[in-house]
Amino acid sequence: GAVVSQHPSWVICKSGTSVKIECRSLDFQATTMFWYRQFPKQSLMLMATSNEGSKATYEQGVEKDKFLINHASLTLSTLTVTSAHPEDSSFYICSAIPGSDSPLHFGNGTRLTVT
Amino acid sequence: KNQVEQSPQSLIILEGKNCTLQCNYTVSPFSNLRWYKQDTGRGPVSLTIMTFSENTKSNGRYTATLDADTKQSSLHITASQLSDSASYICVVRRAAGNKLTFGGGTRVLVKP
Repeated sequence: GAVVSQHPSWVICKSGTSVKIECRSLDFQATTMFWYRQFPKQSLMLMATSNEGSKATYEQGVEKDKFLINHASLTLSTLTVTSAHPEDSSFYICSAIPGSDSPLHFGNGTRLTVT
Repeated sequence: KNQVEQSPQSLIILEGKNCTLQCNYTVSPFSNLRWYKQDTGRGPVSLTIMTFSENTKSNGRYTATLDADTKQSSLHITASQLSDSASYICVVRRAAGNKLTFGGGTRVLVKP
């Protein structure tokens, strides 16, 4: 079945540094990928839609300059949390859809802790 | 406003018992509704998809229902197992714009 790989699974970084998270579709091409943020005991919150070859579409309230998204190929999207602060600590998950009638396939998430 | 509301927020059930989770939505125009299971610290996994014409669909011990008239869906777990402990998320796709709206999820804890 369709597999989405997310890396790293967890990362600890110091305040002020930037962190890059990768999302890869391993056995299918994805023109669109999605990035989510999830706080403890809460549901997923869509941050942005990553479009291959064009700019990402951000949800209201999500800072574009804070969360940089690059979707340079049909199998890879990256999310960079720039100048991370402790309040950015969260669980970040990506997803992609193999086809229009397919379910979302999610990565296993990245636990970001900013100290 | 396109919204998806899930209830209860959480529930605890004994192993072997059944339970039913609810999902009410106002998303329009409706395309489909999916139930996902999310284990702690993992990405969600699709359980079922319900389209406008479908009323009931089963996936093992999981049975989803859809009433498109009242815009309600339910997920029934039969003979719960410890491995059913997870969050269950209802996601509705809007036909116009293909946008997805996530429910707040229901956290299920199955106790022995």
